[in-house]
Amino acid sequence: GAGVSQSPSNKVTEKGKDVELRCDPISGHTALYWYRQRLGQGLEFLIYFQGNSAPDKSGLPSDRFSAERTGESVSTLTIQRTQQEDSAVYLCASSFEARTEAFFGQGTRLTVV
Amino acid sequence: DAKTTQPNSMESNEEEPVHLPCNHSTISGTDYIHWYRQLPSQGPEYVIHGLTSNVNNRMASLAIAEDRKSSTLILHRATLRDAAVYYCILRGNSGNTPLVFGKGTRLSVIA
Repeated sequence: GAGVSQSPSNKVTEKGKDVELRCDPISGHTALYWYRQRLGQGLEFLIYFQGNSAPDKSGLPSDRFSAERTGESVSTLTIQRTQQEDSAVYLCASSFEARTEAFFGQGTRLTVV
Repeated sequence: DAKTTQPNSMESNEEEPVHLPCNHSTISGTDYIHWYRQLPSQGPEYVIHGLTSNVNNRMASLAIAEDRKSSTLILHRATLRDAAVYYCILRGNSGNTPLVFGKGTRLSVIA
């Protein structure tokens, strides 16, 4: 079956604009994760959705960042009033259950100019 | 989740075995040990995980110390494609906490 799909693959935006990044998890996967990876850096955890539980938003860096998930399907990560330091690859992953292996998408490369 | 400690970098010759260590002295009884790796310009991929017993799969083996305070990921025959950052992560059994990556070990493979 299809893997985790993220769109767009690349996004260039002007500073101050809002952006929406989309993640389509593997069908049937209840857990979904968002990460940010700046150039040459490690993966920063952003937010975690697990079934019907309240999402773990402890990794969101500021109130400009938010994410939603519709049931156990698509998720969108929204960054408002983008800043240059938001430039990074944003990775999404999903897993069948919270404890099982996570599958990652190819990421969205965001460039804020 | 409890913290893990890994060397920043390691080097291996192609076609030789590689042992990647991970220390997790504060591991709890219900924490699983997960390994992921990230190849250059790609998202991370799952490698292996275990609880107490040693585990083998097509990619690697995981050797877990008897006291569970350390583990070793074993690549039996390194190839150039195995050059990546390897992450050792502890994950609680409940699944209520997210998958959090540390700095990992950057493995270089020399031809």
